[in-house]
Amino acid sequence: DIHMTQSPSSLSASVGDRLTITCRASQTVSIHLNWYQQKPGKAPNLLIYSTSSLQSGVPSRFSGSGSGTDFTLTIDSLQPEDFATYYCQQTYNIPLTFGGGTKVEIK
Amino acid sequence: QVQLVQSGAEEKNPGASVKVSCKASGYSFSTYGFHWVRQAPGQGLEWMGWISAGTGNTKYSQSFQGRLTITRDATTSTTHMELRSLRSEDTAVYYCANTRGTWYGAHLDYWAQGTLVTVSS
Repeated sequence: DIHMTQSPSSLSASVGDRLTITCRASQTVSIHLNWYQQKPGKAPNLLIYSTSSLQSGVPSRFSGSGSGTDFTLTIDSLQPEDFATYYCQQTYNIPLTFGGGTKVEIK
Repeated sequence: QVQLVQSGAEEKNPGASVKVSCKASGYSFSTYGFHWVRQAPGQGLEWMGWISAGTGNTKYSQSFQGRLTITRDATTSTTHMELRSLRSEDTAVYYCANTRGTWYGAHLDYWAQGTLVTVSS
C-alpha cells in the first residue's frame, strides 16, 4: 500500500496568513494526488485534483503543486471559512489512500 | 444538479451485516463510478472500494478481507455497500462519492451526506 504522510498534523493560523501543507507518498503517485477540505459534521469537499487543477467553484487562493512523492497545498490569505481539516489522497494505486489530515485552527 | 443521497443511520450488533445505499440524480448514471469511504469517530478518511456504474467492475481495499461488497443498480441509479461480520471497529460514518471514469487518476467530485453505522451489543 502507498502510505501518505501529511505535515503538520495540526496548525494554528490567523486570517490573512499564507499556509502550506505538505503530503509525502511512500512511493511515486505520479500526478495523481488530490486535496479535500472537511468541516466538522460534513462530507469532504474536493479542492484540488491531479496535483494542481482547481476544482470548479473553489476559490483561487487554493493551489497545489508537486509530483512523484512530494506535494503541497497552499492557501493564500487564509479566510475564516478555511478553518477545517485538509486531506490528501493518492489515486495511483489500489488501495487508494488518504493522508492522516491537517487540522487548521484559528490562532 | 448532481446529488447523492444516502440511506439513514443504522445500529447493528457485532457479527451482523449492514447495507447502505446511495442514490444518484442530476446526471447520466453510467458515466460515473462510485467510491465508498468511511470515517471512524474523530479519525481520518479510509477508502473502501470503487465500482464502475457502467460495467459493474469493482476494486476493494484488502483491509476488508472479503467482508465488503459494492454493487450498483442502473435502473434505480443507486449504489449499495454491504459490510458483513461487523465488529465495533466498523463504527463509522460511511460516505459514497462519485467520480468520472475509472479509479486510476480519479478524483472524488461529489459526496453524499454520509451514513452513521454504529456497531454495538
